[in-house]
Amino acid sequence: EPEVTQTPSHQVTQMGQEVILRCVPISNHLYFYWYRQILGQKVEFLVSFYNNEISEKSEIFDDQFSVERPDGSNFTLKIRSTKLEDSAMYFCASSPRTARSEAFFGQGTRLTVV
Amino acid sequence: AQKVTQAQTEISVVEKEDVTLDCVYETRDTTYYLFWYKQPPSGELVFLIRRNSFDEQNEISGRYSWNFQKSTSSFNFTITASQVVDSAVYFCALSDYPTSGTYKYIFGTGTRLKVLA
Repeated sequence: EPEVTQTPSHQVTQMGQEVILRCVPISNHLYFYWYRQILGQKVEFLVSFYNNEISEKSEIFDDQFSVERPDGSNFTLKIRSTKLEDSAMYFCASSPRTARSEAFFGQGTRLTVV
Repeated sequence: AQKVTQAQTEISVVEKEDVTLDCVYETRDTTYYLFWYKQPPSGELVFLIRRNSFDEQNEISGRYSWNFQKSTSSFNFTITASQVVDSAVYFCALSDYPTSGTYKYIFGTGTRLKVLA
């Protein structure tokens, strides 16, 4: 069964460093998302991406964040200069042609900023 | 504004008991979608069900059932004859008609279910 794949599963980085979280969405999906879950808290929307551009972003998604679909298969989230409060589980999700379909989530990348 | 409330932070039941997880939502839109996701200890989000606002029919899938009531803005989830493997955090989510064209989810805070052997 097709699935959304995220790498790495766990990343530890030093404060101030740049990190790139990678995702391979399901191949025929057209809508892509990043969500964040701070430990023990709810899952929060960061950004949605369609047709090679950001469709919507939350207030969390500030200038430190960027997304890219560099090669038609990968979907990346970059955090330019990480802060301690960026420590969280980051989920990538994709949904098919019709945005009204359910989103399929990857297994998540746990980011720890030290 | 959209909002999802899961008032039950944590529930503990003994195996084989039935348990209902509550979800109350707020939205101004008449077209919206409701979801339940399961997050086991391994951390991934597992899709359980999607329901659109025009379909108030209750749904049963094995030991799982969902009760959608627009009149009370609730979308409750019942596990019948719970098992230890049901232990997880369960999230209810809302997605309504977007201005952006993409249906982002608004998640509730989750209910941690512990099923004791």
